[in-house]
Amino acid sequence: GAVVSQHPSWVICKSGTSVKIECRSLDFQATTMFWYRQFPKQSLMLMATSNEGSKATYEQGVEKDKFLINHASLTLSTLTVTSAHPEDSSFYICSARDTDRFGETQYFGPGTRLLVL
Amino acid sequence: GNSVTQMEGPVTLSEEAFLTINCTYTATGYPSLFWYVQYPGEGLQLLLKATKADDKGSNKGFEATYRKETTSFHLEKGSVQVSDSAVYFCALSDGFQKLVFGTGTRLLVSP
Repeated sequence: GAVVSQHPSWVICKSGTSVKIECRSLDFQATTMFWYRQFPKQSLMLMATSNEGSKATYEQGVEKDKFLINHASLTLSTLTVTSAHPEDSSFYICSARDTDRFGETQYFGPGTRLLVL
Repeated sequence: GNSVTQMEGPVTLSEEAFLTINCTYTATGYPSLFWYVQYPGEGLQLLLKATKADDKGSNKGFEATYRKETTSFHLEKGSVQVSDSAVYFCALSDGFQKLVFGTGTRLLVSP
C-alpha cells in the first residue's frame, strides 16, 4: 500500500524557536494532505487541509500564523510551528489522500512528537 | 457537530477469543464510517470502511456493519491473534474527506 513518511520522528526544542515537520508521500502523488494533532489519550484533531499549489484550509480555532503549512509539491507538505511554546507540545500526524481498492483513502504517517521546553 | 465515541480500553483478551470494540457516532447527514488500526511504532492504517447504512466492511478477519438505526459501527473479529495487538480508531467522514476520530481503543492479546 501507499507509504507516508514524516521527519523528524521526534524533536525537542526551546521555547520561542520554530520547528519544521515534513510529510512525504513516498510512492504516490498527493494533491491533498492533512495535518492532525493528538493529545495523550485523546482523538486525532484535524488542524488543516493542505492542497498542492494553494493555501491551506485551517480548522476553526487553529492559528494559521502559528502553524504554517506549505504544500509545494505533490509529494511534500511541511508544517512549521512558529515561536513554539510548551503548550504546543503534542503528537503531530500527517496523512495523504490516494485512491485504492477502498476508494479515496487517507494514508497516515507515523507521527512526530514535539516537546517544547 | 460530528463526533465518535469508542469504548475505553485497554481491552485484554486471550488468543482465539472473540473481539468486539464498540463505536457509536453522532452526525448530520449520511457519513462514511471507518476503522483504522495503529500498530506500535507505525502510522494509522485503514482497516475497513462502510459508506452507507447496512453496509458491512471487512478485512483481515475483522468486520463492522453500518447501523443507522443505532448509529453504531462496532468492530468484531471471531478469533484474535497476538499480532492483532494495536490501537483501533473508529472514524467518520462528513463527505468532504475530513475525518473525525474516536479516542482509540488499545487491544492487548496474550498467548
